[in-house]
Amino acid sequence: GQNIDQPTEMTATEGAIVQINCTYQTSGFNGLFWYQQHAGEAPTFLSYNVLDGLEEKGRFSSFLSRSKGYSYLLLKELQMKDSASYLCAVLPRGSYIPTFGRGTSLIVHP
Amino acid sequence: ETGVTQTPRHLVMGMTNKKSLKCEQHLGHNAMYWYKQSAKKPLELMFVYNFKEQTENNSVPSRFSPECPNSSHLFLHLHTLQPEDSALYLCASSQDRVAGGKSEQFFGPGTRLTVL
Repeated sequence: GQNIDQPTEMTATEGAIVQINCTYQTSGFNGLFWYQQHAGEAPTFLSYNVLDGLEEKGRFSSFLSRSKGYSYLLLKELQMKDSASYLCAVLPRGSYIPTFGRGTSLIVHP
Repeated sequence: ETGVTQTPRHLVMGMTNKKSLKCEQHLGHNAMYWYKQSAKKPLELMFVYNFKEQTENNSVPSRFSPECPNSSHLFLHLHTLQPEDSALYLCASSQDRVAGGKSEQFFGPGTRLTVL
């Protein structure tokens, strides 16, 4: 099975940088997703990491270390609209069905 | 219409009612999912269908009954629910690329269910 851990809540200031961590333990690993979910809305896809390293996509970047079972989502130049829940999800080897973490609620304040 | 749609968006029902949630995807995906999302809890996978065949049932009570008539449509039939079943019910779809390549899920807007 999979065990996924991420902080419950984080706060940050508009314009700042925030890093949301996700650690996982799994018997087999294919890749890791990050999703964003605004309150009352559907989760939307942000990134998918398979190989070690950092992938940058605009203000958002995602990092993966397979050997350490660790990923983070980096948000730069924070905006108020970035206030949302950020979900880490692990894709097990041999499956197309991800397992989701509890999500990190990010609050961006002025 | 594109993406994943769900109806109704909001539903209030009594414990003796029977209702159905509907999900439709226009993305050509072959896998569809039902999730339950309660406050302060992670997404709970309920059912998975692949090419209309149910491949996962995560020990869901029988008062929830899924139906997948084709790869584009998914239903969740509800009967004799309990107040603790009140939650956001999300439908999602994806391609089942087990061998490789990302297979991100596309979610519908959800149905906010309240059981009185």
